[in-house]
Amino acid sequence: SYVLTQPPSVSVAPGKTARITCGGNNIGSKNVHWYQQKPGQAPVLVMYYDTDRPSGIPERFSGSNSGNTATLTISRVEAGDEADYYCQVFDSSSDGRVFGGGTKLTVL
Amino acid sequence: EVQLVESGGGLIQPGGSLRLSCAASGLTVTSNYMSWVRQAPGKGLEWVSIVYSGGSTYYADSVKGRFTVSRDNSKNTLFLQMNSLRPEDTAVYYCARGGGPYGDYPYFDFWGQGTLVTVSS
Repeated sequence: SYVLTQPPSVSVAPGKTARITCGGNNIGSKNVHWYQQKPGQAPVLVMYYDTDRPSGIPERFSGSNSGNTATLTISRVEAGDEADYYCQVFDSSSDGRVFGGGTKLTVL
Repeated sequence: EVQLVESGGGLIQPGGSLRLSCAASGLTVTSNYMSWVRQAPGKGLEWVSIVYSGGSTYYADSVKGRFTVSRDNSKNTLFLQMNSLRPEDTAVYYCARGGGPYGDYPYFDFWGQGTLVTVSS
């Protein structure tokens, strides 16, 4: 089955830019979706179809996807952005949904 | 407003069975692609199963043959029947709706708050 690889952790100072990557074989040919999960809470969709933001998600959140890497970029990082972030794709070969292992974003 | 409320979790011995429920409001379960996603303590998200609006079902390899997803139109509820439970099935189980405009509904736009299943002797 398809495998998505994320770095376990990313640290960034407030006001700086955080980039969270999601690697997969030719992931650029797939649509990537991203979730934010804070402790004790259910995940929240923050990006879909690589670059689309759901309503209510700040413009500071953006996405890109090319080659073997998709990236979630958070500009002007705030303390409230500290959370776990997961990428996810639809695996058409199995009709399954696949998550990356997750990245813990720490705001220094 | 869409609400998904899971129930049915608890402590169960290895080899036992449990049925989880996800009561929906604000959407019709049988008209949507509905999934179960789980998260073991301190671990990441793992997709478990999905039922399409047309009734087709799909499962992760880790639960295939042991878990069954179903739905009840009259109760607007999604179910997950879990048999032959193993300690590694211990997790918070979330139900989630498949979202998307193109018919494959590849992402999850609404989630419940989850129900904890603990498999232990």
